[in-house]
Amino acid sequence: GEDVEQSLFLSVREGDSSVINCTYTDSSSTYLYWYKQEPGAGLQLLTYIFSNMDMKQDQRLTVLLNKKDKHLSLRIADTQTGDSAIYFCAESMGNYGGSQGNLIFGKGTKLSVKP
Amino acid sequence: DARVTQTPRHKVTEMGQEVTMRCQPILGHNTVFWYRQTMMQGLELLAYFRNRAPLDDSGMPKDRFSAEMPDATLATLKIQPSEPRDSAVYFCASGLGDRNTDTQYFGPGTRLTVL
Repeated sequence: GEDVEQSLFLSVREGDSSVINCTYTDSSSTYLYWYKQEPGAGLQLLTYIFSNMDMKQDQRLTVLLNKKDKHLSLRIADTQTGDSAIYFCAESMGNYGGSQGNLIFGKGTKLSVKP
Repeated sequence: DARVTQTPRHKVTEMGQEVTMRCQPILGHNTVFWYRQTMMQGLELLAYFRNRAPLDDSGMPKDRFSAEMPDATLATLKIQPSEPRDSAVYFCASGLGDRNTDTQYFGPGTRLTVL
């Protein structure tokens, strides 16, 4: 079955880079997502990557995808205290292969940024 | 600024009472999802709709939970009777449901406490 796994906690110092890792099981996943959840708020889409890409960069965010190992990572450069949040990885098969378009979420990685 | 809205934001009720949570998806979105988030279980998909038709509600306890979309601008999640174990944050999300991406946009959530 489908499963997405992430480590639960990550602590970094302000200004350092953060790398949040995720593994998924379904090799037919079409899209992989990163969502951010701040305290008391809903999940906010950060970025997503199509499965035929290896890397996607958006300002301080870099997403790396290793499809062979089913490994996805999110790198945040120059991490700030405002980046403290829970980061969720999610996979989707798109609207193909019988999928109805739902996402499978990991349990989230809580990022703590120390000043 | 289009966003998913949810009401109420907070609800405290006593065991056995009926609870109704409401969601207004982003205008033009044709898929609506209901999730439940707890510390222990993380984010769980309860049910989702496409074009107002329920596609999957296998994640929902059938005996007490019900989800409906009376019209394209309103989704409801009802619990009757509520139990303390239903205490959680309930999120609604909506998406375009197109063939290219399954991006979901989340509301701020309803924090439910059942005493």
